[in-house]
Amino acid sequence: DSGVTQTPKHLITATGQRVTLRCSPRSGDLSVYWYQQSLDQGLQFLIQYYNGEERAKGNILERFSAQQFPDLHSELNLSSLELGDSALYFCASSPSTSTDTQYFGPGTRLTVL
Amino acid sequence: GDSVTQMEGPVTLSEEAFLTINCTYTATGYPSLFWYVQYPGEGLQLLLKATKADDKGSNKGFEATYRKETTSFHLEKGSVQVSDSAVYFCALSYHPRGSARQLTFGSGTQLTVLP
Repeated sequence: DSGVTQTPKHLITATGQRVTLRCSPRSGDLSVYWYQQSLDQGLQFLIQYYNGEERAKGNILERFSAQQFPDLHSELNLSSLELGDSALYFCASSPSTSTDTQYFGPGTRLTVL
Repeated sequence: GDSVTQMEGPVTLSEEAFLTINCTYTATGYPSLFWYVQYPGEGLQLLLKATKADDKGSNKGFEATYRKETTSFHLEKGSVQVSDSAVYFCALSYHPRGSARQLTFGSGTQLTVLP
C-alpha cells in the first residue's frame, strides 16, 4: 500500500458525459501527478500540481482539467467523454518538487460506452 | 524529447531462470532512472532506482545499473519466481533546474514465470 488513495476504483459512463476522479496523496506529500494508461498510448503524464498550483502539463487534452485543493487532495475532471478516453488513470504523489520518487495509487479504470 | 525504449514482450520464463529486460533511454541531460512493477489489477510500485552514472539500484533480488556510455538501465534477476509475474516499466525523470519531475515511461514488458 503506497498511501495514495484514488476513488472511484471503476467508473462506467457514456460518451459526452463528464466525470471527476479523486486522489488523496500520501500524508505530507505536496506534489500530485496524474497519468493515463491506455493500450494504444501506454503510460502518459497528464498534469502536475504542487501545493495547490499547477506546475507542469503533459499530454492533457483541453477537455480535461485538474485542481488541487487546500487539503492537498486533487481532482481530475474529464468532460465531453469519447470512447478513446477509456483508460486507467493513475495519481502519484511525492513530498516535493525536488524529489524524484513518486508513489502511485491503485488507479481509476474509466470505461466510456 | 526524452524517451524510453524497452524490449518487446511478452517474456515467458521457467521458475529459477535468469531474467534480463532491456531498457535504453534518450535524454538531453542526466536523468534519474527507475523500474516500476505493475502486478495484475494493481497500481505501479517502485522496484528500484538510480540517480547517477554507475549507480546500481537493487531490490527483492532485482538489479539494474545506470550506464551512461550506453544510455541503458537493464533489469536483471538471477532466479525468477512465479510471484514475479507482472508488467515491468522502465522510466526516467529529467528535470532541468526549476522544471517539474514527471516520469517518462517505456511501453512496459509483460513477464510470465511458469512453475
